[in-house]
Amino acid sequence: NAGVTQTPKFQVLKTGQSMTLQCAQDMNHEYMSWYRQDPGMGLRLIHYSVGAGITDQGEVPNGYNVSRSTTEDFPLRLLSAAPSQTSVYFCASSYGGTSTDTQYFGPGTRLTVL
Amino acid sequence: LAKTTQPISMDSYEGQEVNITCSHNNIATNDYITWYQQFPSQGPRFIIQGYKTKVTNEVASLFIPADRKSSTLSLPRVSLSDTAVYYCLVGDSGAGSYQLTFGKGTKLSVIP
Repeated sequence: NAGVTQTPKFQVLKTGQSMTLQCAQDMNHEYMSWYRQDPGMGLRLIHYSVGAGITDQGEVPNGYNVSRSTTEDFPLRLLSAAPSQTSVYFCASSYGGTSTDTQYFGPGTRLTVL
Repeated sequence: LAKTTQPISMDSYEGQEVNITCSHNNIATNDYITWYQQFPSQGPRFIIQGYKTKVTNEVASLFIPADRKSSTLSLPRVSLSDTAVYYCLVGDSGAGSYQLTFGKGTKLSVIP
């Protein structure tokens, strides 16, 4: 069991470039989510998915797109990167999306936008 | 909004008991309270979860009063390896749909 994997670990982009952060889990979890973590701000929810084909916005969705074509994968797309998107991004998964379900986090992707 | 509020930081000496309190005034009736630990350059990981009264596992204890508007994570006899950020998590239905939102966390520094 690899758990939750994220690629890449580090990425540097120029303003206006696009990229996709990959997230995959092998635990057959229905619920997956993306958070960004900035100094002093804790973890803020970007988007989440309760199952394949279903996604919804979190606290800070602007500038990000997601899709969920399979149970295993939940990629996060930045269409036109901005310096304000410099952050550490964490993907998480769980059996369900309620407070009783343990969230399993990936190792994170550190993104810098110049 | 079931937002959470925690102290930003705490310092403790090795061997002491540490108590971190989280307030969640608008917690839903059926929501659980979960605490996570995050080391630098890693994703958060589950520590403990509870609904009411007291829960204990091999790592920590969780105290939840009857009104459930707050919870206290207790770490017995901390060591340097307990230096981390601790988050409490409850559900949040304020945006119209149920979401899991973390607070800003409490940075615990254990001093030798």
